[in-house]
Amino acid sequence: RKEVEQDPGPFNVPEGATVAFNCTYSNSASQSFFWYRQDCRKEPKLLMSVYSSGNEDGRFTAQLNRASQYISLLIRDSKLSDSATYLCVVLYNQGGKLIFGQGTELSVKP
Amino acid sequence: SQTIHQWPATLVQPVGSPLSLECTVEGTSNPNLYWYRQAAGRGLQLLFYSVGIGQISSEVPQNLSASRPQDRQFILSSKKLLLSDSGFYLCAWKAQPVEAFFGQGTRLTVV
Repeated sequence: RKEVEQDPGPFNVPEGATVAFNCTYSNSASQSFFWYRQDCRKEPKLLMSVYSSGNEDGRFTAQLNRASQYISLLIRDSKLSDSATYLCVVLYNQGGKLIFGQGTELSVKP
Repeated sequence: SQTIHQWPATLVQPVGSPLSLECTVEGTSNPNLYWYRQAAGRGLQLLFYSVGIGQISSEVPQNLSASRPQDRQFILSSKKLLLSDSGFYLCAWKAQPVEAFFGQGTRLTVV
């Protein structure tokens, strides 16, 4: 079993749609969680951290369920510029090991 | 402010040749340092990480090695490259409480 698993993609949605990405992790000792965004042939960049209470940043909402070892990202009112690959990231091993999921590709169409 | 430098951006090497990719970080002390590889259309595979000078954790048995000779320097090496070593190599750093930041990556093609 992979340490971090994400929904397979690609997700093809029209502008204005709401899209949700899911991610599960296997290590219950995981400490911190993030969503990164990667544009084609570029390095990944932080989209948002994920907090236990859930957090929102504009059109983006991230949630964490430690009991189920599950993380989610919700994007509302999708824009063309949201097209990218979204990577779920888990930090554990006393803050040392940083594991990425395989990523989910999102394509927002006009 | 912190910055991360990774070079070269692109590299074409013949099979059997050695490899040395260097990554340096500025503006922070004792960061965690990481090397990842990304194959075309795939996710990031953690290769090595380091929580301090001389401390290297290897995640995947392979044809590569890593070293951290200084606090803010992380080097990825190979004595003899294989075709399967081709990919996009990314260096990253992280220090509490901020997130991980990536270098711009090295596209390695082994021919």
